[in-house]
Amino acid sequence: KAGVTQTPRYLIKTRGQQVTLSCSPISGHRSVSWYQQTPGQGLQFLFEYFSETQRNKGNFPGRFSGRQFSNSRSEMNVSTLELGDSALYLCASSLGRNQPQHFGDGTRLSIL
Amino acid sequence: QQPVQSPQAVILREGEDAVINCSSSKALYSVHWYRQKHGEAPIFLMILLKGGEQKGHDKISASFNEKKQQSSLYLTASQLSYSGTYFCGTLYSGGGADGLTFGKGTHLIIQP
Repeated sequence: KAGVTQTPRYLIKTRGQQVTLSCSPISGHRSVSWYQQTPGQGLQFLFEYFSETQRNKGNFPGRFSGRQFSNSRSEMNVSTLELGDSALYLCASSLGRNQPQHFGDGTRLSIL
Repeated sequence: QQPVQSPQAVILREGEDAVINCSSSKALYSVHWYRQKHGEAPIFLMILLKGGEQKGHDKISASFNEKKQQSSLYLTASQLSYSGTYFCGTLYSGGGADGLTFGKGTHLIIQP
């Protein structure tokens, strides 16, 4: 069974640009969650999608948005990038909110 | 609000035992434990639901004290492969729009 796939693995952007990250969940998983991981703050929850609906949202500014498609694939978009957005962005899929989450290898975003 | 993990870091010799604690100031519905090795995605260890149950597999077990809003992860006779950063993630009682909230992690180093 294929795991969670995130693309791209690495991205370098400059301040003010926008970026879109992609996540393909494990087949059959309808819940997709996004996390930001930094050395100082650890793993921080961004949002969760279930059956194309945003079900939960973390404490991040509106520049961070996402969506989920009918095949459960999800995208995350960050607009007007700031230096502080440099981080590893992890996607995790699961069967539901209180089920084991299966993480992808992440997208490492660097802002210059 | 993030759960608080302790200790922040621990160094052990192979074969020694370790305990990692996770405390919350809010009423917990469940506690999730994950381990992440450097450069890799977090992997799921176990979920504990409120009710004070204890779970485990192999030599890793965990408990959940609902009254104290606290969970502990026990690693018995540690092996080199146990090295990594351990995260607890919490879901709070009362519903709400929160996703999994992770602690800042406990770095575990096992030496031969």
